[in-house]
Amino acid sequence: EPEVTQTPSHQVTQMGQEVILRCVPISNHLYFYWYRQILGQKVEFLVSFYNNEISEKSEIFDDQFSVERPDGSNFTLKIRSTKLEDSAMYFCASRGGFSYEQYFGPGTRLTVT
Amino acid sequence: AQSVTQLDSHVSVSEGTPVLLRCNYSSSYSPSLFWYVQHPNKGLQLLLKYTSAATLVKGINGFEAEFKKSETSFHLTKPSAHMSDAAEYFCVVSGLGGFKTIFGAGTRLFVKA
Repeated sequence: EPEVTQTPSHQVTQMGQEVILRCVPISNHLYFYWYRQILGQKVEFLVSFYNNEISEKSEIFDDQFSVERPDGSNFTLKIRSTKLEDSAMYFCASRGGFSYEQYFGPGTRLTVT
Repeated sequence: AQSVTQLDSHVSVSEGTPVLLRCNYSSSYSPSLFWYVQHPNKGLQLLLKYTSAATLVKGINGFEAEFKKSETSFHLTKPSAHMSDAAEYFCVVSGLGGFKTIFGAGTRLFVKA
């Protein structure tokens, strides 16, 4: 069964460093999403991406964040200058064109020290 | 605008007894509604979805949910809890076009032997 994959599973970085979180969505999906979940808190929507551009973004998704689909298979989330409060689990999701059902990856745990 | 409220942060049941996890939503449009489950240190798995077809939706592992437009509710039920059901459950609403997805705060289900 096709699935969404994410790498790395755990990333540790120092405050102020740039990080890139990678996702490989399900191959025929058209819509892509990033979410984050701070430990013990709810899952928060960050951004959705369709047709090579951002469709929606939340207030969390400020200028420090960017997304890209560089090669038709990967979908990346970049944080330019990480802060301590960026420490969270980051989930990627994708969906096809005919259903609103999203398929989630296993997540990347980002720890900023 | 969409919002979703999960009315209980924790629910505790005994094994073999019914489960009820409550969710109310608000949406400017006819919503798509989902329940996802998250087991400890795991990703998000879709339990079931409502997308304007039948109002009683059956999902995996014996769960079902009923969409009640008049009450703006989408409560999750299961007739008989199993120990393996212990997890965090998220009610999710997806807005028009499916570009923005809002998660509820989550309900942690405890199942006692």
